[in-house]
Amino acid sequence: DIQMTQSPSSLSASVGDRVIITCQASQHIANFVNWYQLKPGKAPKLLISDASNLERGVPSTYSGSGSRTDFTFSISSLQPEDSATYYCQQSFDHPITFGQGTRLEIK
Amino acid sequence: QVQLRESGPGLVKSSGTLSLTCDVSGGPISRYFWHWIRQSPGKGLEWIGSISYTGKTKYNPSLGSRVSISADVSRNQFSLNLASATSADTAVYYCARAFSETDFDSWGQGALVTVSS
Repeated sequence: DIQMTQSPSSLSASVGDRVIITCQASQHIANFVNWYQLKPGKAPKLLISDASNLERGVPSTYSGSGSRTDFTFSISSLQPEDSATYYCQQSFDHPITFGQGTRLEIK
Repeated sequence: QVQLRESGPGLVKSSGTLSLTCDVSGGPISRYFWHWIRQSPGKGLEWIGSISYTGKTKYNPSLGSRVSISADVSRNQFSLNLASATSADTAVYYCARAFSETDFDSWGQGALVTVSS
């Protein structure tokens, strides 16, 4: 299985800050990485596909980059509604695997 | 816009079969790929398996032969069965759609299933 090592596991930042989350794959996976936002009681949301493709309707404050084994996800200018848990996911091979998640708290 | 909703017993007896159904509205399940994903308490997301628009299934080997996924096109729903359930199967179970097999673009809100003796 491809392991996705995500960090940090938790993060606290202020409104207006920029935050960065990283994911490292255990093998080369080209750009086959997606990023999701999970909030309690709500349907998870796909934010970015194929490492850097922003999904329709997702604010441009979200962005992603990377290839091969190293990937980053960032949120510029944090807003209160960005409080959530974020996950990376590799779509390169089965079984599909996720990172451990990053819980983002807005101070 | 497609919508998904999980339903099924919230409590399952240990060694029993965990069964959930995902009702899909706003689009036919005869297209795309349909998945089950779970999140155990305090843990991350785990992919369980999928069924394609052709009926082909794929499963996470970590669940062995306990898992099966099926679809009912006439009812526009697909289902999960997980046999020999244990407390380790206690989780929030999500159903999701993937337009390109592995990119989950629509999800249900999740259903909590507790496995208890």
